[in-house]
Amino acid sequence: DADVTQTPRNRITKTGKRIMLECSQTKGHDRMYWYRQDPGLGLRLIYYSFDVKDINKGEISDGYSVSRQAQAKFSLSLESAIPNQTALYFCATEGGSGSRTGELFFGEGSRLTVL
Amino acid sequence: AQSVTQLGSHVSVSEGALVLLRCNYSSSVPPYLFWYVQYPNQGLQLLLKYTSAATLVKGINGFEAEFKKSETSFHLTKPSAHMSDAAEYFCAVSKGNDMRFGAGTRLTVKP
Repeated sequence: DADVTQTPRNRITKTGKRIMLECSQTKGHDRMYWYRQDPGLGLRLIYYSFDVKDINKGEISDGYSVSRQAQAKFSLSLESAIPNQTALYFCATEGGSGSRTGELFFGEGSRLTVL
Repeated sequence: AQSVTQLGSHVSVSEGALVLLRCNYSSSVPPYLFWYVQYPNQGLQLLLKYTSAATLVKGINGFEAEFKKSETSFHLTKPSAHMSDAAEYFCAVSKGNDMRFGAGTRLTVKP
């Protein structure tokens, strides 16, 4: 089984719908991240969490929200999806408790299409 | 703010040829630098990491990268390309809690 699991892997939805992408991990890491990947833009950080009680906005948090339900679970929500949120979304974890290591462990991605 | 520029969104090489993927960074202080690889339909995985120890860093699958402060570069190389190296490669820079990825370079390996 994968260390970082994302569900769903693929989702097609309509404008205005609420969507939740879920991430669970078995690596025991406190730090979790949600990234968005668009062709030609690389990965951009949406939200991150350094522990269960810690949530931080990333570069492109507008239109998104997150919930850290447990150390192992970090979900991303689109409250009212719009077409320009069509992208590939990645969850990642990171070990360590002090300075960042930068060594991220990624899920396989959730491809979201908003019509 | 720091940033990463990858020169060339697509690179094509023949099997057995040298692979060179270019990455330049901007940072006010020496950062941590990374190369990640993304195979089709998979998440990214770490290839190698520079953390201010040796300037030449060896990674998995025969890849290595050299940190050149004077050129603000961290180019990725492999002496001999293999078909299995076909993937997208991302350079990333990290300082403190800020980590930025480049736009990626897609490597194609021709038989």
